[in-house]
Amino acid sequence: AQSVTQLGSHVSVSEGALVLLRCNYSSSVPPYLFWYVQYPNQGLQLLLKYTTGATLVKGINGFEAEFKKSETSFHLTKPSAHMSDAAEYFCAVSEGDDKIIFGKGTRLHILP
Amino acid sequence: GAVVSQHPSRVICKSGTSVKIECRSLDFQATTMFWYRQFPKQSLMLMATSNEGSKATYEQGVEKDKFLINHASLTLSTLTVTSAHPEDSSFYICSASAGTGNRDTQYFGPGTRLTVL
Repeated sequence: AQSVTQLGSHVSVSEGALVLLRCNYSSSVPPYLFWYVQYPNQGLQLLLKYTTGATLVKGINGFEAEFKKSETSFHLTKPSAHMSDAAEYFCAVSEGDDKIIFGKGTRLHILP
Repeated sequence: GAVVSQHPSRVICKSGTSVKIECRSLDFQATTMFWYRQFPKQSLMLMATSNEGSKATYEQGVEKDKFLINHASLTLSTLTVTSAHPEDSSFYICSASAGTGNRDTQYFGPGTRLTVL
């Protein structure tokens, strides 16, 4: 069965600094991996997803993530944080069926 | 991109009453719809998966008689919380997929905040 671990329930970075949100997964088959963002009292918006092919995936709002099979990781990065990036971020995995399993989420705080 | 709506966005009801939440795919036909529940500051937990025209598949621990799901058309699924109690208060989010499986992209609705008094 698949699972997702997000390291750090809260991450704070200064505006303009690098954003790094960590995600490790467990899957018995080649996974599909996702990052979603959730703003307060809203649904989820897909930032990016990895299915097959190129391991570096670029998403919206300047975010990208790299699939590293050897490390079972799919960390999310952005070179320069913006105040509008403050939100909850969820890493998720899908394993051969329709179900998506979400991590517990990481709240990103941007310091002025 | 694909748009999924939910109605209502917020609902407050008395304990013992039933509440219906609608999930609509506005610009695509959703073969499969999913219902999630999110407790404050926690992740989304999948409650059930529904395919148009067939019975929903519920996750372990989810009471199918309490959370009635209907997926009568390719653009509409409903979740009815029957005999709601305060512990049912939560944020309910639906998602929709245009595929018939195999990990098609899910598009999420904006969520419905249910408060049971």
